[in-house]
Amino acid sequence: EIVMTQSPATLSVSPGEGATLSCRASQGVSRNLAWYQQKPGQAPRLLLYGASTRATGIPARFSGSGSGTEFTLTISSLQSEDFAVYYCQQYFDWHALTFGGGTKVEIK
Amino acid sequence: QVQLVESGGGLVKPGGSLRLSCAASGFTFSDYSMSWIRQAPGKGLEWVSYISSSSDYTKYADSVNGRLIISRDNAKNSLYLLINGLRAEDTAVYYCARVLGIAPTYFDYWGQGTLVTVSS
Repeated sequence: EIVMTQSPATLSVSPGEGATLSCRASQGVSRNLAWYQQKPGQAPRLLLYGASTRATGIPARFSGSGSGTEFTLTISSLQSEDFAVYYCQQYFDWHALTFGGGTKVEIK
Repeated sequence: QVQLVESGGGLVKPGGSLRLSCAASGFTFSDYSMSWIRQAPGKGLEWVSYISSSSDYTKYADSVNGRLIISRDNAKNSLYLLINGLRAEDTAVYYCARVLGIAPTYFDYWGQGTLVTVSS
């Protein structure tokens, strides 16, 4: 299976600052990558798919880039509601969908 | 609006079985593939199963070793997951999620989850 590795595990950011989260695939997944946001006690919410396409209702401050094995989720000017855990997920190998371990974005 | 509501979780002894349900509303259920994803306490997300819109294709994660059966009833707008031979490592919140596309891809709507606890 394709292993997804996210870094860093925890990111401390002040409100209003930007954040850059990384996701690496153990083999190329083209642009078949999604990002999710999960807040405590809630279900994950789809942010991006196709590496860079925002899902319905997702603010423009969330952007994604990358292809192959290296991907980035950028959050410009963090709002209070953006502090959460973020997961990447590959769907290139649809026989075995896999998620990264998550990056927690916390208030600095 | 799209709504997915899971039920059926609870405390089960090792070796037991449990059937989870997911009631869907707000969209044409029979048009969409569905999946189950689980999350152990304090851990990350793990996809476990997929079923196509017409039930003609199912897929499971290798980690569940043939112990899971996914099914659906389009007439009842419902998704199910039967888990047999429950083990401590199956303890998790189980989410049902709608799949976009005709193959297992990504998940655009998720339920709130149902907690399965396996313990003697």
